Amino acid sequence: ETGVTQSPTHLIKTRGQQVTLRCSSQSGHNTVSWYQQALGQGPQFIFQYYREEENGRGNFPPRFSGLQFPNYSSELNVNALELDDSALYLCASSLGGTSGRNEQFFGPGTRLTVL
Amino acid sequence: DQQVKQNSPSLSVQEGRISILNCDYTNSMFDYFLWYKKYPAEGPTFLISISSIKDKNEDGRFTVFLNKSAKHLSLHIVPSQPGDSAVYFCAASVGSGKSTFGDGTTLTVKP
Repeated sequence: ETGVTQSPTHLIKTRGQQVTLRCSSQSGHNTVSWYQQALGQGPQFIFQYYREEENGRGNFPPRFSGLQFPNYSSELNVNALELDDSALYLCASSLGGTSGRNEQFFGPGTRLTVL
Repeated sequence: DQQVKQNSPSLSVQEGRISILNCDYTNSMFDYFLWYKKYPAEGPTFLISISSIKDKNEDGRFTVFLNKSAKHLSLHIVPSQPGDSAVYFCAASVGSGKSTFGDGTTLTVKP
């Protein structure tokens, strides 16, 4: 059973650029959630995808967008990068749906630095 | 408005003693609560969970207690071991929806 993987590990971009982060979910999981974690804070929910459809969104602007593919892997896209977007981006997969349980399995994260 | 709060940024205990980590929440719709452990340079790892129909759940050295009337949950680690040193996050959700996390408590277990 493979765990959640994320790529790239680290990324440096300049303000105004666009970035795409990738995530492969754990085998058997159909739900992927993305979180942003700033230093010293807990993960903040960006959005969740369940069977390729967006299934909830946090308080993030539309320039944060995502996709989930038929194999349940996912992408997070951020346009018009701002300095405050510098953070650790975490992807988590779970069973979701009507399981009634919400244990999430996290990847190691992508550290994004915006200069 | 932070719906999940961990009021102690850090906790230090002696090896072999009990560690008690606390978490408060404000949203009465939350019905599933989780604890995660995070080591540096790794993503959070699921530790233990509890649904709102229970008030206690045990898994080995880890026990989570839920007090719904007080909107409070706690994680007990007995006995504490140096390998337990990490950042602990509590999280809450409504069913299998989004999880809302606290800001974490850094636990240090001294040998």
